[in-house]
Amino acid sequence: GDSVTQMEGPVTLSEEAFLTINCTYTATGYPSLFWYVQYPGEGLQLLLKATKADDKGSNKGFEATYRKETTSFHLEKGSVQVSDSAVYFCALEGDSSYKLIFGSGTRLLVRP
Amino acid sequence: SQTIHQWPATLVQPVGSPLSLECTVEGTSNPNLYWYRQAAGRGLQLLFYSVGIGQISSEVPQNLSASRPQDRQFILSSKKLLLSDSGFYLCAWTANYGYTFGSGTRLTVV
Repeated sequence: GDSVTQMEGPVTLSEEAFLTINCTYTATGYPSLFWYVQYPGEGLQLLLKATKADDKGSNKGFEATYRKETTSFHLEKGSVQVSDSAVYFCALEGDSSYKLIFGSGTRLLVRP
Repeated sequence: SQTIHQWPATLVQPVGSPLSLECTVEGTSNPNLYWYRQAAGRGLQLLFYSVGIGQISSEVPQNLSASRPQDRQFILSSKKLLLSDSGFYLCAWTANYGYTFGSGTRLTVV
């Protein structure tokens, strides 16, 4: 079945450092890919998405490119802030599925 | 506008007691509805989803059940809670605009 694999955390960075959180997926066909963010004590919010190969999703300085050849959707940000500290989830929805499948989440801690 | 209501926000229940968590959606019709669980230190696991009234699909065998008595109402239940049922439960819906998540219920079974 479909699955998502994320790099394990926690990831600890200093403010203004470059961020990469790796995400790879297994799915048949052409899934849609998502990054969700969960700030402390809150529910999930959609951060960005991409629905087809080579699409780049972006929001709040975060970017991720849908790479079908490497089945990846890595999350990047050029300069993180303390307020970016949260848990980040990579997810996919199969093109013939009603379900959103999540990775295990990666906790990001940004220190001032 | 579309909104999703989930309650209660926090719940502490003894082992062996029953559970009922409710989720309702406003501003849309015939949504797909979902229950997810996030156990401590772990990712999000899909528990149940529903594509219509009375239609429930279970993703993992467990001590929980789900029901959809109305188009925009999704209920998560248990007859007897286990310690392992502790976690953060999230309801979600999708129609044509992507997934929207509720604010979650933190359940602690003691």
